[in-house]
Amino acid sequence: QQQVKQSPQSLIVQKGGISIINCAYENTAFDYFPWYQQFPGKGPALLIAIRPDVSEKKEGRFTISFNKSAKQFSLHIMDSQPGDSATYFCAASRMDSSYKLIFGSGTRLLVRP
Amino acid sequence: NAGVTQTPKFRILKIGQSMTLQCAQDMNHNYMYWYRQDPGMGLKLIYYSVGAGITDKGEVPNGYNVSRSTTEDFPLRLELAAPSQTSVYFCASSYPKGGRSPFRDNEQFFGPGTRLTVL
Repeated sequence: QQQVKQSPQSLIVQKGGISIINCAYENTAFDYFPWYQQFPGKGPALLIAIRPDVSEKKEGRFTISFNKSAKQFSLHIMDSQPGDSATYFCAASRMDSSYKLIFGSGTRLLVRP
Repeated sequence: NAGVTQTPKFRILKIGQSMTLQCAQDMNHNYMYWYRQDPGMGLKLIYYSVGAGITDKGEVPNGYNVSRSTTEDFPLRLELAAPSQTSVYFCASSYPKGGRSPFRDNEQFFGPGTRLTVL
């Protein structure tokens, strides 16, 4: 009940295209869903997050779509840029469990110029 | 602010040796976490702490120990290192309900990592 499944493992997109990364979770008690971005040799950094009371959250070119009934959420990167090339992790947590994050396995995104 | 700092950056251990990975934060965060990152496996929580003197196990605590005597420091101890502990270790800290917006209430700030190899 703790698992978060992420796909695809890797993704190649042309500059200007849309990158889409999907995640699915099992535990319906999760109530916080962040996405972290990690560049090589660095620690992850929070990109954007959503709670299950909204179906979409947008920050600049980054959008989370959330489907509570399907227990799925996805990250959309519009107008993808070479600087977006990084590894992206979805995660889930329960705010009443010390915000412990359960991470997906990661998606390595490469945006070609 | 230095944020979250970790030392050392790299370390090679022999099987059976012990070591302590250091983590410090200067943001007055009360929550701190240790993760390990294996290739293709995402990050797994080893231990976490919600304040000085309070620690608890995460998903993969076996072979590790932690202590939290101050708000700033959260060292991770490896006893009797094994090849299975070869990984990149990340420390993180957060301040729940202290975010710039409700969506960032538990933003975890990560250190640069320690790459550990056990041979």
